[in-house]
Amino acid sequence: NAGVTQTPKFQVLKTGQSMTLQCAQDMNHNSMYWYRQDPGMGLRLIYYSASEGTTDKGEVPNGYNVSRLNKREFSLRLESAAPSQTSVYFCASSLSGTGGPLYGYTFGSGTRLTVV
Amino acid sequence: GDSVTQMEGPVTLSEEAFLTINCTYTATGYPSLFWYVQYPGEGLQLLLKATKADDKGSNKGFEATYRKETTSFHLEKGSVQVSDSAVYFCALSDLTPNQAGTALIFGKGTTLSVSS
Repeated sequence: NAGVTQTPKFQVLKTGQSMTLQCAQDMNHNSMYWYRQDPGMGLRLIYYSASEGTTDKGEVPNGYNVSRLNKREFSLRLESAAPSQTSVYFCASSLSGTGGPLYGYTFGSGTRLTVV
Repeated sequence: GDSVTQMEGPVTLSEEAFLTINCTYTATGYPSLFWYVQYPGEGLQLLLKATKADDKGSNKGFEATYRKETTSFHLEKGSVQVSDSAVYFCALSDLTPNQAGTALIFGKGTTLSVSS
């Protein structure tokens, strides 16, 4: 089925370990996003990529890096995981331009990350 | 900056009850407004949207009217079902014709629990 695929679905890390969350979409969307979801905080934007070759910081970028590998793939890397990064991470994509959000974001099913 | 404020939950209703979830926003421009729904263990899905003042978005029995004078976009449903139990997010996008790929701004979410 068309959509946004995130891997892995679950991950447990030790403090200081690194990992990369993978995201791929097959809808030919130009824009892609990484959010984290925490209880009582809603969704907060970490990074986004308006188009292939560009990335920009969102509301909470510290401790993360991203790579827009090609039009389909947008990865999120934690270089040195901390317990404060325990969260559910969602990748999303949309058409770009002024009409992008009007067609809705398509979200992946999330990665539940625990840092101990 | 732009922001979205939702009523805090959880909201607990019996089946066939009337639902209202309040949402107000602050924006410098003329935003488009959205409601997203998240079912347990899943990513967010677009429920409905409105792009200008007095527009009414509707889907699956849910409705919301864009009220510029009160900066509100309250979600309503006349008769809820158990299957409506989910987390509901209000969001805005404040794109102008010169902006591209900028992200949605989400409220913190309201949990709805419907019992039979």
